[in-house]
Order: sequence, then C-alpha cells, then structure tokens
Amino acid sequence: GENVEQHPSTLSVQEGDSAVIKCTYSDSASNYFPWYKQELGKRPQLIIDIRSNVGEKKDQRIAVTLNKTAKHFSLHITETQPEDSAVYFCAASGGSNYKLTFGKGTLLTVNP
Amino acid sequence: DTAVSQTPKYLVTQMGNDKSIKCEQNLGHDTMYWYKQDSKKFLKIMFSYNNKELIINETVPNRFSPKSPDKAHLNLHINSLELGDSAVYFCASSQVRFGRGTETQYFGPGTRLLVL
Repeated sequence: GENVEQHPSTLSVQEGDSAVIKCTYSDSASNYFPWYKQELGKRPQLIIDIRSNVGEKKDQRIAVTLNKTAKHFSLHITETQPEDSAVYFCAASGGSNYKLTFGKGTLLTVNP
Repeated sequence: DTAVSQTPKYLVTQMGNDKSIKCEQNLGHDTMYWYKQDSKKFLKIMFSYNNKELIINETVPNRFSPKSPDKAHLNLHINSLELGDSAVYFCASSQVRFGRGTETQYFGPGTRLLVL
C-alpha cells in the first residue's frame, strides 16, 4: 500500500520568513496530493491540493510543488504569520484507491 | 450550515462499556470515512463506505463496527472499550470519481473519546 513520509516533524520560523514542508510517497499510481492544516483542538481543513497533471499550484501565500518522477511534493508558505501556526499534514491518494494516506504531520510554529 | 457533523463532541466512559458515535453530512457526497487520531496526532483511516457499501476496512479490532443507514450517515459503534481506544475520532466525506480516486475530503469536528 501507499506510504507517505513527511519532514520535518517540527518547524519553527520567525514571522515573515518562509516555511517548507516536504513529503515523499511510494505508490506511483497516486495522483491526488492534498495538504491539510489542523489548528489545536480543531478539525483538519484542506488548504491546497494538486493533481499529478500539474507541477505547481499557488494560492496567495501558499504553494505546492509536485515532482512525479522523484515521488515527492512540498508545501511552501511565504511571509508566515502567527496564525499559520498549526499542524500540517500531507496526503496521497489515487486511481481506484479511495483512501487518503496521511503523513505524520509537521508542527509549524511562527514566532512573532 | 454544518457540512459534516458528529455527535457527541466529547465522550468519557469506563473500560468495558459500549458506545456509539454518529456522523452526518449534508454535502451530497457518496463516500464517508472514519479516522482515528491518536495522542501523537497521527491520522489513520479506519473505515470507508461508498453508497452504503464498505470499501475500506483497515486492520481495526472487530470491536469497532461501522454502520451506514444511508449515504448521508455513517455511525461507529465500539464494544468493550479499552484504554487504548482513547483518541479523537474524525468522520469525513468526499465524492469519489471512479478512476480518479477521492476528491477533497471534508472532516467533521471530531469526537474526543476518553476511556477511564
């Protein structure tokens, strides 16, 4: 089955700096890669996703890149703000597999 | 309007008891999921139903039994609760496109289960 590795497990940045979280996946059939943000005590919420026919996608301060050959994808947050502090999860899914396999999460702390 | 809702929000119970968690979605999705999030925040799929049919059944003790009366509802019944069952249980829903896999999954607010 699919295996998703996520790094780093914790990340601390100064407000205004950029943050990058990286994930690798094992199943070459995977074609859908969402990123979720989970604030303390809240539900995971989708912040951005990318499909395998696209190499990069941007939404304001957030971007995701995908390298299908290397089977890795990354989340980039620019101009970080304290409200970006949360746990971020990457996930992978694809083909006839309806399952989302999640990475273990990255705790991002943005220091004011 | 709440898209995916769960009840109860909190559940505190004794070991050995039986309890149920309910989930409802009003998004018109055809697929619903149960996830367990342990103290280390790891999100693990437990079950999934597509149009009331079980399509994902991970390695979960058979004390856990999902039931889907219709495609808008997915309940989770847990028998003989154990200390290790303490976790946050999230329900989610999505629309599945055959050949494309799952679309965006929307999560419920979670049910915090504490077994004493």
